[in-house]
Amino acid sequence: TQLLEQSPQFLSIQEGENLTVYCNSSSVFSSLQWYRQEPGEGPVLLVTVVTGGEVKKLKRLTFQFGDARKDSSLHITAAQPGDTGLYLCAGASGTYKYIFGTGTRLKVLA
Amino acid sequence: NAGVTQTPKFQVLKTGQSMTLQCAQDMNHNSMYWYRQDPGMGLRLIYYSASEGTTDKGEVPNGYNVSRLNKREFSLRLESAAPSQTSVYFCANGPGVVGQPQHFGDGTRLSIL
Repeated sequence: TQLLEQSPQFLSIQEGENLTVYCNSSSVFSSLQWYRQEPGEGPVLLVTVVTGGEVKKLKRLTFQFGDARKDSSLHITAAQPGDTGLYLCAGASGTYKYIFGTGTRLKVLA
Repeated sequence: NAGVTQTPKFQVLKTGQSMTLQCAQDMNHNSMYWYRQDPGMGLRLIYYSASEGTTDKGEVPNGYNVSRLNKREFSLRLESAAPSQTSVYFCANGPGVVGQPQHFGDGTRLSIL
């Protein structure tokens, strides 16, 4: 069974601080996605990483895919209250399926 | 999310009752999915349909059935609801190409007493 473990599970920080969220597995994934979910809504895709070692930036968010394609990280620089939400990683399993991580709930205090 | 519509948004059932969760997409994507989301466990795949006319089990299919009625619609049925099925259910679609995004509905919050 493929599993994706995210850490930390909860994170509460002050506006302006930096943070990193980790997504780890013992399995190799052909691609990995990061989603953000806000209360009462479904997850929304932030980024997809495909190549081992790949780094993608989305404004203040930096995503990295591990060289072995088993892990990924999300780094947020100068966090803002608008970054508050549940962050989920999802690894592609086969052609159609995705395995989701356990989630990191982030709260950024003004 | 205009692309994926779920009904109902909320439902309370008694143990043993049955119900069907409806999902419809207007994005013409081939693949559709049903997930459940429980605290601390992320999203777990219940069933998916790679294309019209096909369905396959995901990680947690026990107690559920699905129907891919046509390309637009993918329903999830609980034949005899149990308290362990209390959860938030999400329907999603996707083009069926790995790496392409899934689009999610806003969820159905289901409580079983």
